[in-house]
Amino acid sequence: NAGVTQTPKFRVLKTGQSMTLLCAQDMNHEYMYWYRQDPGMGLRLIHYSVGEGTTAKGEVPDGYNVSRLKKQNFLLGLESAAPSQTSVYFCASRTGLAGVYNEQFFGPGTRLTVL
Amino acid sequence: KNEVEQSPQNLTAQEGEFITINCSYSVGISALHWLQQHPGGGIVSLFMLSSGKKKHGRLIATINIQEKHSSLHITASHPRDSAVYICAVRYIGTNKLIFGTGTLLAVQP
Repeated sequence: NAGVTQTPKFRVLKTGQSMTLLCAQDMNHEYMYWYRQDPGMGLRLIHYSVGEGTTAKGEVPDGYNVSRLKKQNFLLGLESAAPSQTSVYFCASRTGLAGVYNEQFFGPGTRLTVL
Repeated sequence: KNEVEQSPQNLTAQEGEFITINCSYSVGISALHWLQQHPGGGIVSLFMLSSGKKKHGRLIATINIQEKHSSLHITASHPRDSAVYICAVRYIGTNKLIFGTGTLLAVQP
């Protein structure tokens, strides 16, 4: 099993450009999350999904959109990138077994720089 | 002020030392996680606990629900333990984790 994978690993954008980050998991997990990690701050939740076809806003959703068309994939889009979106982005997934909160499995991260 | 506070922010230890990292939070939780992030960036889950104590190898995690406090202990520390250790909590009634800012641990040979 590959676990949680993220594409791309690195990207440099100019202000105003758009891009999509892809997260894929092969563990049949229901829940998927997108986080950003910035120096001196804890991981912050951007958007999350509790199942195929569902999405919800997290702590810092502005400037991002997401889609979960297939259970195994969770896409994060930046429509018009801004320097404030320079960050390391992590995807995570977990099972949704009722009554149990299981560990989150994290992808390797995507380092995005917006100039 | 972060809802999840970790201390210390930075820690340097000599190989073999006993290490303690602390985490405190503000309101009732249903679970607390300890995570490890290595310099390459990958994040792995070490423990998830809601009460008592868990042990895995040289790592021990404890939680005191009444005091809203958890500790991560590393016994017989080794340079390969050098990493950022992150505490995260799930508040009651949510599906989301709130993360601390992490503790950067460096274990010197």
